[in-house]
Formats: sequence, structure tokens, C-alpha cells
Amino acid sequence: EPEVTQTPSHQVTQMGQEVILRCVPISNHLYFYWYRQILGQKVEFLVSFYNNEISEKSEIFDDQFSVERPDGSNFTLKIRSTKLEDSAMYFCASTNRGVNTEAFFGQGTRLTVV
Amino acid sequence: GENVEQHPSTLSVQEGDSAVIKCTYSDSASNYFPWYKQELGKGPQLIIDIRSNVGEKKDQRIAVTLNKTAKHFSLHITETQPEDSAVYFCAAPYPSGYALNFGKGTSLLVTP
Repeated sequence: EPEVTQTPSHQVTQMGQEVILRCVPISNHLYFYWYRQILGQKVEFLVSFYNNEISEKSEIFDDQFSVERPDGSNFTLKIRSTKLEDSAMYFCASTNRGVNTEAFFGQGTRLTVV
Repeated sequence: GENVEQHPSTLSVQEGDSAVIKCTYSDSASNYFPWYKQELGKGPQLIIDIRSNVGEKKDQRIAVTLNKTAKHFSLHITETQPEDSAVYFCAAPYPSGYALNFGKGTSLLVTP
């Protein structure tokens, strides 16, 4: 069964450092998303990406964040200068035709900023 | 934007009993309402969804009901089993249709 894969599964970084979280969406999907989940809280939308551009972003997704699809398979989330409050589980998701359809989530990357 | 409220935050039932989780939403234009199950250490996984043109949808032991007038939808799990223990999230689309707004989640515990 096709799945969304994320690497690494756990990333520890020092405050102020840059991190890149990587995702390989399902191959025939066209819409890609990043969500985050702070421990014990709800899943929060960060950004959606379609046709090589951001289609929507939340207020969480400020100038410290960026996304890229560097090739035909990877989708990355970069945090330029990490803060303690960026510590969370980051989930990548993909859909084949927009949001009103099943979103397939990866296993997540646990980011710990120290 | 869309506001999704979910209740209860925790729910404990005995194996074989039914469980009901409720969500309300604010945007009357919303037309798609999925439910996701999140097991420990994993990403959310869709278990059932409903579109606004129907009032109920069933899939074996799981059902979702939608009341568009009242702007609420509910997840019903019958004959619960220990493997149903997980966190359940309801969601509704952002007005733009490019993202999902999740409820705060319900931690369901099914005890044998």
C-alpha cells in the first residue's frame, strides 16, 4: 500500500540552528501539506503546496519556515532558526485532489529543540 | 476561519459498549467532515468521512452522523474493542479548501 514517508523520525537540534524535515509523498498525489502537533495537543495546519507553490499557510507559518519540492519526489520543510517552541511532531501529508478527500499522513518527525 | 470544537476530551468505555464523540463547526459552507484515528507514535489515519449531501454514513462498527442545520457531526463506534483505544480527531476544511482544521482530539480507552 502506498504511504507517505518522513525522515528523520527524530531530530534534536540546538536553538538557533536550521533544520530540514523531509517527506516523500505518495507518488501520484498532487497536494502536499505540513502539519505539526505539540505534545498532547491537536494537529495544527502549517502550509499546503500545490503546483509548485504555496496554496495556503497558517499564522504559525511565518518567515522562519519555508517549503520546497526540490525534485519530483521530495517535499521539505525548513525552519531557519529554531526556537524552543518549535519542538513538536511534524507531519507531512498528501492528497490526490485537494483537501476534501482522504489525506495520507506520514509517521511524523519529532523535533526537539534544546 | 473555521472553528472546530470536539467533546469529550477523554472517554473510557468497557469492551462491547458504544462510544460517541461529538464535534461542532462554525462555517456553514463546510461540506466535508473526516474523522482520523491516531495511535501512539503514528500519524493520523482516516477512518471515515462524510460529505454534506448525506446525513449518515456507516462502515461496519463505525458510523458518522451529520446535522448541517445544527452544524455538528458525531462519530459512533459500536461493540468497542481494546484495539479501538486511540486518539480520535474530527476535522473540517478551511474556507479556502486547502487545509484541514482539526478538533482537539478525544482520547478513547476501551477496557477489557
